[in-house]
Amino acid sequence: EAGVVQSPRYKIIEKKQPVAFWCNPISGHNTLYWYRQNLGQGPELLIRYENEEAVDDSQLPKDRFSAERLKGVDSTLKIQPAELGDSAVYLCASSLGTSGRTDTQYFGPGTRLTVL
Amino acid sequence: ILNVEQSPQSLHVQEGDSTNFTCSFPSSNFYALHWYRWETAKSPEALFVMTLNGDEKKKGRISATLNTKEGYSYLYIKGSQPEDSATYLCAFTQGGSEKLVFGKGTKLTVNP
Repeated sequence: EAGVVQSPRYKIIEKKQPVAFWCNPISGHNTLYWYRQNLGQGPELLIRYENEEAVDDSQLPKDRFSAERLKGVDSTLKIQPAELGDSAVYLCASSLGTSGRTDTQYFGPGTRLTVL
Repeated sequence: ILNVEQSPQSLHVQEGDSTNFTCSFPSSNFYALHWYRWETAKSPEALFVMTLNGDEKKKGRISATLNTKEGYSYLYIKGSQPEDSATYLCAFTQGGSEKLVFGKGTKLTVNP
């Protein structure tokens, strides 16, 4: 069974440029998560989808970040414009059920973003 | 603000040593505790999900215990191998929230 796929793995951009990350979850997984991990910190949830509905986006900085999950499968996370403080690892995860509390989340390898 | 503390921050052991690390979390309204292993350049891998006080889980040489009353979990690795080198993350959830709150992790290096 294929795991969670993310691309690109690495991205270097100048500040004020846009950037997008793509995630393909495990087939059949209803719930998809985007996390950001800043250097030296644990991952922090940005947004959680149940199918195509964003059920928790309270931590997503909506002035510059946007996300979509069309057809309840693949998802894209976008930053426009990027700032220096956005340098981080962006992780996508998926789970079979809808309980974020107890369901095992399966993570992709992440995208390491560097903003210069 | 929920705080999950992991200690130590990093650890170096010799191959064959047994080791353990700690995850501390708020004991009020506890729901579940997750452990993940994250090897460099790979995806974080789920190890355990624990919900009941006194839970003990085991996977090969790795085991974990849970004390929800005092708010801590221990992860043990018996006979560490170089392939155990990774960052071990714990994450906690409370009742009423679907959100995992992660600690900063313990980085383990096993020297051959």
